Amino acid sequence: QQQVRQSPQSLTVWEGETTILNCSYEDSTFDYFPWYRQFPGKSPALLIAISLVSNKKEDGRFTIFFNKREKKLSLHITDSQPGDSATYFCAASVDSGTYQRFGTGTKLQVVP
Amino acid sequence: NAGVIQTPRHKVTGKGQEATLWCEPISGHSAVFWYRQTIVQGLEFLTYFRNQAPIDDSGMPKERFSAQMPNQSHSTLKIQSTQPQDSAVYLCASSPGLVNTGQLYFGEGSKLTVL
Repeated sequence: QQQVRQSPQSLTVWEGETTILNCSYEDSTFDYFPWYRQFPGKSPALLIAISLVSNKKEDGRFTIFFNKREKKLSLHITDSQPGDSATYFCAASVDSGTYQRFGTGTKLQVVP
Repeated sequence: NAGVIQTPRHKVTGKGQEATLWCEPISGHSAVFWYRQTIVQGLEFLTYFRNQAPIDDSGMPKERFSAQMPNQSHSTLKIQSTQPQDSAVYLCASSPGLVNTGQLYFGEGSKLTVL
């Protein structure tokens, strides 16, 4: 059973557009939600993270919006660039000290 | 800081052979995690250690997989009698383990191909 779900599976946007990636989870005990980015041939690396105490987390062009009631998160990338082309994973853990469950990822392509 | 080091980067084994993968976590990190990544299954959790002690191995196929962490600078994942379905990239990650800091630092991975 997939505890963390992501949509869409893949996405193509034009350079300069805002990209929206979606994530949902089932376990209400999850309280830490990192997003990782993986470039082809590379390993995942942390991009941005949010905890249960926040509704929004911003870092430059990347923003996480968190709807706790619906158990949904979204990652917004403003002014998308070709260099943002990668696979984005949403993850969740019960607390920051346990293992993280990963979603299946969204493959993003930004076209110039 | 050299990051998480995994060896070998690539390993090819025949069906039924044994494969051992090594991981050196970032110095000072107290938690070490093993994941497996495939196109079909995505990123699957296998097992993790905290301060060298095994904490959770719920993701490990019990019969043929085993993991150890004999010291704070070294962890191994051993797969006995490898099968084609074991082909994957095996990722090791470490974490500082501090409260409210859950970032995983991944190694480059060990790509296992079972013929």
